[in-house]
Amino acid sequence: ELKVEQNPLFLSMQEGKNYTIYCNYSTTSDRLYWYRQDPGKSLESLFVLLSNGAVKQEGRLMASLDTKARLSTLHITAAVHDLSATYFCAVHSGGGADGLTFGKGTHLIIQP
Amino acid sequence: SAVISQKPSRDICQRGTSLTIQCQVDSQVTMMFWYRQQPGQSLTLIATANQGSEATYESGFVIDKFPISRPNLTFSTLTVSNMSPEDSSIYLCSVVLLNTEAFFGQGTRLTVV
Repeated sequence: ELKVEQNPLFLSMQEGKNYTIYCNYSTTSDRLYWYRQDPGKSLESLFVLLSNGAVKQEGRLMASLDTKARLSTLHITAAVHDLSATYFCAVHSGGGADGLTFGKGTHLIIQP
Repeated sequence: SAVISQKPSRDICQRGTSLTIQCQVDSQVTMMFWYRQQPGQSLTLIATANQGSEATYESGFVIDKFPISRPNLTFSTLTVSNMSPEDSSIYLCSVVLLNTEAFFGQGTRLTVV
């Protein structure tokens, strides 16, 4: 059974600081997703990581994937209040056509 | 990309009743997925809906409680049957376009009273 573990589950940080969210998964998967969710909203796709060593950046967020270590990171640079949200990582249970298994999510609060 | 429309966006239902959620995709897809997100929790896959065959349910979910229809390649429904307050959740449908990514509908926020 595929397990996806995120840490931390809760993070409170100051604006301007850097931090990293970690996502470990237990079995081989061909892609990894990062999503953002604001309260009461659906999921917003942030990144899709398709191969070992993949690195993607969008604004203050950068995601990377190490398939050998089964680890992905979401790095936040110089955080701003607007990045406050819950962040989920997810991987496919089997091949790319299967449903996703999600981590428990990281609830991020960025304080001015 | 894919655009997914879900209806209703929210509903408040009496316990013991059933609600059918509709999911329409703007392109033909082989599989559609239904997820549940309980309050304050992550998303959990309920079932995979294939056109022309029975849906495949994940552990802990059964067809009698969550019957699914998939009449064609762009549409699916999920019914939450004989509802109780524990069924209060957000229900989301999703599709995966091969070699791209997974796309989600806006979700249906269900409150059972």
